[in-house]
Amino acid sequence: QSVLTQPPSVSGAPRQRLAISCSGSTSNIGSNVVNWYQQFPGQAPKLLIHYDDQLPSGVSDRFSGSKSGTSASLAISGLQSEDEAIYYCAVWDDRLKGVVFGGGTKLTVL
Amino acid sequence: EVQLVESGGGLVQPGGSLRLSCVASDFTFSHYWMNWVRQAPGKGLEWVANMKQDGSEIYYVDSVKGRFTISRDNTKRSLYLQMNSLRAEDTAVYYCARGDYYGSGGDHWGQGTLVTVSS
Repeated sequence: QSVLTQPPSVSGAPRQRLAISCSGSTSNIGSNVVNWYQQFPGQAPKLLIHYDDQLPSGVSDRFSGSKSGTSASLAISGLQSEDEAIYYCAVWDDRLKGVVFGGGTKLTVL
Repeated sequence: EVQLVESGGGLVQPGGSLRLSCVASDFTFSHYWMNWVRQAPGKGLEWVANMKQDGSEIYYVDSVKGRFTISRDNTKRSLYLQMNSLRAEDTAVYYCARGDYYGSGGDHWGQGTLVTVSS
């Protein structure tokens, strides 16, 4: 049971916009910045969003991040088949004194 | 381009030990926090430990405290994870990841090294 709660799966049609949620608490999302990662099968994770809503260099602007209170969200616009992957949120937890990851959300493009 | 290359994984019996290494290149290693993150087969990501640039701050996930030790050698641009008293539940791919602050799970990751704990 992860400290951060993500939906196990989401799906959407090509060109659609969807969002993946990440719910936490005051000791993590409520007081620290959130990162989002994308992982394809058999590959290492890749940083998609850092500092809640900042895009690292080279990441498509179809991806965006936001945060409100103790929840964060990753939005993907103009869905493409190559977006099919597992997405993880991560944040520092002040109470646990460590980084915590969400359980991951598998995105399927219909 | 930032590169992180892990090594040292393999098959080990329960109760055994293993030392993982991660060699960094194409960035100033001594300027960054460094993390170990693992992923059990078919499971999600789990952060294991991290260490500040000068080694003055170290954090571990509770499940490895007292068994795993993270260390670094900035002169060799290398990060290490000494794993003792290994258990079946430590079986995972172990990733080395660079962080720009203590709370960053990693902005660049290696390809990982597989550790299998089994008799």
